[in-house]
Amino acid sequence: DQQVKQNSPSLSVQEGRISILNCDYTNSMFDYFLWYKKYPAEGPTFLISISSIKDKNEDGRFTVFLNKSAKHLSLHIVPSQPGDSAVYFCAVLYNFNKFYFGSGTKLNVKP
Amino acid sequence: DTAVSQTPKYLVTQMGNDKSIKCEQNLGHDTMYWYKQDSKKFLKIMFSYNNKELIINETVPNRFSPKSPDKAHLNLHINSLELGDSAVYFCASSQGAQNQPQHFGDGTRLSIL
Repeated sequence: DQQVKQNSPSLSVQEGRISILNCDYTNSMFDYFLWYKKYPAEGPTFLISISSIKDKNEDGRFTVFLNKSAKHLSLHIVPSQPGDSAVYFCAVLYNFNKFYFGSGTKLNVKP
Repeated sequence: DTAVSQTPKYLVTQMGNDKSIKCEQNLGHDTMYWYKQDSKKFLKIMFSYNNKELIINETVPNRFSPKSPDKAHLNLHINSLELGDSAVYFCASSQGAQNQPQHFGDGTRLSIL
């Protein structure tokens, strides 16, 4: 019973185009959402987050969208760069210290 | 000066052995975590400590015992290792009681022969 689902295990995008990574969650009580990026042989690193009181948060090339009614979260990367190639994990934070992670989407940005 | 460091990076051992993984954070955070990344790549929380006190203990075999000597350290001891324990174990820290992201170590790849 996964609380957070990333249904696309991989995504391939041309450099300069938009990358869209998707995430679905099950519990409407979740109130804080995060995206992490992970390179091989390293731990996940925090990328961007959004609180449930917002529906969009932007940080440079990265924008996270939250659709609470659909329990859906997405990460947009524009423009995509080869250095963005990594595994992206969606996560939710519940009750301040309980994190649930998705299974990750491997993004490949082709030069 | 790595923020969250865990040792060793790789651990290869035989079934039945007892092993420990150490984790230290220098971020001044009050909450530390252990995660297991299984073969399906899910990151599943195992334990969480806040100010040296256990606050999350997910369904994990008794063979796994976390120990937090102080706020900056959370070690994981595993007794009687089994084949199914093979995984990557990640330590993380955050400032609890706030909506703050976690900082992760680089993981310990445990392989059981």
